Amino acid sequence: GAVVSQHPSWVICKSGTSVKIECRSLDFQATTMFWYRQFPKQSLMLMATSNEGSKATYEQGVEKDKFLINHASLTLSTLTVTSAHPEDSSFYICSAREASWLYNEQFFGPGTRLTVL
Amino acid sequence: TQLLEQSPQFLSIQEGENLTVYCNSSSVFSSLQWYRQEPGEGPVLLVTVVTGGEVKKLKRLTFQFGDARKDSSLHITAAQPGDTGLYLCAGQHLWGGTASKLTFGTGTRLQVTL
Repeated sequence: GAVVSQHPSWVICKSGTSVKIECRSLDFQATTMFWYRQFPKQSLMLMATSNEGSKATYEQGVEKDKFLINHASLTLSTLTVTSAHPEDSSFYICSAREASWLYNEQFFGPGTRLTVL
Repeated sequence: TQLLEQSPQFLSIQEGENLTVYCNSSSVFSSLQWYRQEPGEGPVLLVTVVTGGEVKKLKRLTFQFGDARKDSSLHITAAQPGDTGLYLCAGQHLWGGTASKLTFGTGTRLQVTL
């Protein structure tokens, strides 16, 4: 399958600071990337969908000013958690797909664990 | 609102046993995918099913898509400790050639012990 990487794999930050998470497609061009959030022992919750070169589409209840998404190239999307608070602590996972794929599968990154102190 | 309900939510079995995980919805999906996720990692795609009634096998795993494309099942034969993980189904719609976002199931946590 296609390979998606995330960086960093884990991050600890102080409350009030901003944290940037990178998501890269390593062997394909990701026309669409997705950002998910996962709480312990729960399923994935979609936060936003981003298409290269356009603004991200956020799911209901997700603050777009708090979770800034940039999809500036076909291989890179970034999620910036601004003014992070302890309740933002979670496992953040990105996925990516290419428009030409027959079944429109998404391939997921390994995730980034964010802990806000 | 979760549109895909998985059952059971949690399953603890011994090595060698068989099991079935169900994924049910009231919606019709164009395709359905199954993922396995291990702690601290991202989900890994196992299979995609697209045709009603379709059956796909992946070694000891058998996946079936319901005739009406509203439900799916995953059957594992002779489970091994390496099968331990969170199993997620995810449905997708296709409108005019454009794929929708994935709708994830509630998840089934499988634990296989020696």
